[in-house]
Amino acid sequence: DAGITQSPRHKVTETGTPVTLRCHQTENHRYMYWYRQDPGHGLRLIHYSYGVKDTDKGEVSDGYSVSRSKTEDFLLTLESATSSQTSVYFCAISEGGQRTGANVLTFGAGSRLTVL
Amino acid sequence: GNSVTQMEGPVTLSEEAFLTINCTYTATGYPSLFWYVQYPGEGLQLLLKATKADDKGSNKGFEATYRKETTSFHLEKGSVQVSDSAVYFCALRDNYGQNFVFGPGTRLSVLP
Repeated sequence: DAGITQSPRHKVTETGTPVTLRCHQTENHRYMYWYRQDPGHGLRLIHYSYGVKDTDKGEVSDGYSVSRSKTEDFLLTLESATSSQTSVYFCAISEGGQRTGANVLTFGAGSRLTVL
Repeated sequence: GNSVTQMEGPVTLSEEAFLTINCTYTATGYPSLFWYVQYPGEGLQLLLKATKADDKGSNKGFEATYRKETTSFHLEKGSVQVSDSAVYFCALRDNYGQNFVFGPGTRLSVLP
């Protein structure tokens, strides 16, 4: 997966518990993203980061927070998981800049989260 | 805001049939356009892209042409194989930032 690792790949948890998903990259790309994938909705952006400690909200950010303390790591936290957050979560990276091919997304393998 | 619309699926074809998956977009300026493919149990992979009007992206027998006059980026393949069975996503990136917008995806099943 082009130097992107998501962990855990599968998690089952209970409503109300905190959950953290980790995305780790070895590409030194500037931009990192968290998406969720749900049937009928395609991919929806949760949060993204444009550098260390620089993050912004996407279209479905409620109930989620993120942190990026190092270039290579982007954490997605569900402070108190709900059943509506059952989904497959994908991390993606983008180099950014003007180099040809720099502005494409490369995805991780996904993390399947089930909230009971 | 920016948006991407794709034809509803699922699409079921026989092997060696011709494939078209329609994609239209709404965006300001001149976005870059992409097709991504997702095989079962995997993440999305870039299939092809086009960055300006009239560009044709191509890969693995798939093609799509950036049509600004019709705001479209339809995906085509002349002869599909069983191994092409997957979900296909059309996407755009506006040229003012690094945000990507995806369509809902079209599931393709190719029967032998």
